[in-house]
Amino acid sequence: DTGVSQNPRHKITKRGQNVTFRCDPISEHNRLYWYRQTLGQGPEFLTYFQNEAQLEKSRLLSDRFSAERPKGSFSTLEIQRTEQGDSAMYLCASSRGTRLNEQYFGPGTRLTVT
Amino acid sequence: AQTVTQSQPEMSVQEAETVTLSCTYDTSESDYYLFWYKQPPSRQMILVIRQEAYKQQNATENRFSVNFQKAAKSFSLKISDSQLGDAAMYFCAYRSNAGGTSYGKLTFGQGTILTVHP
Repeated sequence: DTGVSQNPRHKITKRGQNVTFRCDPISEHNRLYWYRQTLGQGPEFLTYFQNEAQLEKSRLLSDRFSAERPKGSFSTLEIQRTEQGDSAMYLCASSRGTRLNEQYFGPGTRLTVT
Repeated sequence: AQTVTQSQPEMSVQEAETVTLSCTYDTSESDYYLFWYKQPPSRQMILVIRQEAYKQQNATENRFSVNFQKAAKSFSLKISDSQLGDAAMYFCAYRSNAGGTSYGKLTFGQGTILTVHP
């Protein structure tokens, strides 16, 4: 069990650029979640995958955001035409499909849009 | 929609003392989990303790225990014998056990920063 990993850990980009983040879940976990955390706040749910199917998207996920999980393994979160308001920590979590469904979090990707 | 409220932005405690962090939540559901997560500075979030709503007995994990008051929709975390390593941001979180596509997403409170003084 190597834990959830996220890359890159930090990303600085200029407004208007596209960015892509990657999340590698714990290998046997079939559920994968993306959350966004702004400074001093709790994480907010963005989207959720069960295997390769994206089952829910928050209204926070505007049409500039897209997430994929090809083959039910790693996931990518892309933000197009970044805005300063997109600056945040993007957290990924994974879990088994059990009733407890304990979520294990990755270290996050901190995005700064200048 | 469910909401989680942590009314204490910051708390402090002396090493070896006891501190209680507060959390209230709002839901119309009867089947759910409540969690406390710890997020140390610049480190990833880890689960501290969990409570299933159907279980009346309060959960305990070593120095961490909860006071779960289902009718009052209150879920506080007590940390006994506080240690310097307990310093972190603590988040209360709610998760519905209802079926459907929303299964599993966590709703977090705003967090409480805990400082431990030596």
